Amino acid sequence: DIQMTQSPSSLSASVRDRVTITCRASQSIGNYLNWYQQKPGKAPKLLIYAASSLQSGAPSRFSGSGSGTDFTLTISSLQPEDFASYYCQQSYSTPQTFGQGTKLEIK
Amino acid sequence: EVQLVESGGGLVQPGGSLKLSCAASGFTFRTHWMHWVRQAPGQGLVWVSRISGDGSTTSNADSVKGRFTISRDNAKNTLYLQMNSLRAEDTAVYYCARDWNDGLDMWGQGTMVTVSS
Repeated sequence: DIQMTQSPSSLSASVRDRVTITCRASQSIGNYLNWYQQKPGKAPKLLIYAASSLQSGAPSRFSGSGSGTDFTLTISSLQPEDFASYYCQQSYSTPQTFGQGTKLEIK
Repeated sequence: EVQLVESGGGLVQPGGSLKLSCAASGFTFRTHWMHWVRQAPGQGLVWVSRISGDGSTTSNADSVKGRFTISRDNAKNTLYLQMNSLRAEDTAVYYCARDWNDGLDMWGQGTMVTVSS
């Protein structure tokens, strides 16, 4: 199985900060990497698919990059509604696997 | 309205069975792979299972192989997860999700499954 390792596990930041979350795959997954945002008690929402494609409806301050084993999610200027948990997911092979999550909190 | 609505969750004893349903509306259900993803209380997301649009191809996580079966009825626009031999560690919110461009672009609201005596 492909292991997905996110860092950091938690992060404190302020509104208007630039934030980067990283995700590393245990083997090459090409660009089969997705990013999700989840708020407490809610279902996840797809933000980025295929490593760098912005999902329709997702704000343009979210961007993704990377290929192979190393990927990043960047929020260019944090907004109050961005404080949530974020997960990466590989869809290269089954079993599909998620990272352990990054909880983004207000500083 | 484009949506997924799960049902069928509840409290079940260890060793028991439960069948989850996910009703789809507002899109052409038969053209999409569909997935089940679960989340234990306070924990992260865990992929469980997926099925092709015509139902001919399925995959499961090792943790549920031989116990859970994913299926679909395209005439009823409904996805299912039959869960047998349930264990305490299966306790979670179960989400159904639509596959689009290899990402999960639509999710249901989730249904809670609690395995406890």
